[in-house]
Amino acid sequence: GAGVSQSPSNKVTEKGKDVELRCDPISGHTALYWYRQSLGQGLEFLIYFQGNSAPDKSGLPSDRFSAERTGGSVSTLTIQRTQQEDSAVYLCASSPSRTETGELFFGEGSRLTVL
Amino acid sequence: AQSVTQLDSHVSVSEGTPVLLRCNYSSSYSPSLFWYVQHPNKGLQLLLKYTSAATLVKGINGFEAEFKKSETSFHLTKPSAHMSDAAEYFCAVGAGNNRKLIWGLGTSLAVNP
Repeated sequence: GAGVSQSPSNKVTEKGKDVELRCDPISGHTALYWYRQSLGQGLEFLIYFQGNSAPDKSGLPSDRFSAERTGGSVSTLTIQRTQQEDSAVYLCASSPSRTETGELFFGEGSRLTVL
Repeated sequence: AQSVTQLDSHVSVSEGTPVLLRCNYSSSYSPSLFWYVQHPNKGLQLLLKYTSAATLVKGINGFEAEFKKSETSFHLTKPSAHMSDAAEYFCAVGAGNNRKLIWGLGTSLAVNP
């Protein structure tokens, strides 16, 4: 596709359930990022991939959060045993550069609501 | 440590008048600075970027920003607002590497006819 694609665009789940959020980056982009955008908060870095490796996962808030990337392309962010404080918009971004330029191409986000 | 403060959470201007969105930063390093825009139900888009070259940076859609080290500021301006400029604007700083940008809370720009 032409841009970064995220699915689902909206997800409502019950507390304690697991959720998977998917990101399909721009073809050829080697770097992939996950951010979280909570109400009244700035964007919060979660994890960074270069290819299939995650050299920086320092932003993952707890061990309930994990992410993987396969084939240097699609990434999945998994949240286990969701809590109400996990409610947020999860943003994926990709970048064509192997150097970290800060020039990111964002998807439209996946809005997660935990009841 | 790095931080970003966007001084206004909401700015309202009339169409055709100038836009000023303010951003102050704190960085232990020589910073890279960014402005991104987010239109409703759209992904964030890079407007412009400063990386220690010219202090006046021109971006897309007529926006520009000036890096002022003495004031630790990177304010975003546009001479004449257009209705399509109504959006959320985010300032971000990267330091050392730009792997983990630090983001401001955003400024919502409203443009009145």
